[in-house]
Amino acid sequence: AQRVTQPEKLLSVFKGAPVELKCNYSYSGSPELFWYVQYSRQRLQLLLRHISRESIKGFTADLNKGETSFHLKKPFAQEEDSAMYYCALNSGGGADGLTFGKGTHLIIQP
Amino acid sequence: DVKVTQSSRYLVKRTGEKVFLECVQDMDHENMFWYRQDPGLGLRLIYFSYDVKMKEKGDIPEGYSVSREKKERFSLILESASTNQTSMYLCAACSAGSQYGNLFFGSGTQLSVL
Repeated sequence: AQRVTQPEKLLSVFKGAPVELKCNYSYSGSPELFWYVQYSRQRLQLLLRHISRESIKGFTADLNKGETSFHLKKPFAQEEDSAMYYCALNSGGGADGLTFGKGTHLIIQP
Repeated sequence: DVKVTQSSRYLVKRTGEKVFLECVQDMDHENMFWYRQDPGLGLRLIYFSYDVKMKEKGDIPEGYSVSREKKERFSLILESASTNQTSMYLCAACSAGSQYGNLFFGSGTQLSVL
């Protein structure tokens, strides 16, 4: 069965510092990975997906199949990045639902 | 953007009651999902549906059922509510094909079972 692991429940960094939110997955096939974000009092929304290979709000994530990882990175954190971040895996190719990690609460200190 | 609307933001029910959580989406998306969100546990999939009248169990379907009689509406039913079903419930929708996985979420229903 597929599994998504986010080892940090809470990550606190200072404004301007680099950010890395870790995500590891367990799946033997060709996965599709996503990062979702939930800002305070807002609904959960897609941040980025690995097949798009784009940078959203300064965040990037590279799928490393050898390490089965999909870490989210940003070189310079901003206060508005404070939020709950979820890594998610789609293994079914369109019919199984996404499997989410337990989430990491990112706090950017001024 | 897809609008996913959940009928109630907060709901308080008593143990043993039958509870209906309603979700409506307005963009003709094939796939709809129900998750529950608990602190420290993340999002866990309860049920999903890829077409009208079709339903599939997710990871934690026990104690729940669903109904999808129309494409735009996906209902979650708690047959006999219990205190361990106190949670935030999130409905989501996405299209099929290349955009599968780009979930649009509702605002959530915070259910308290007393």
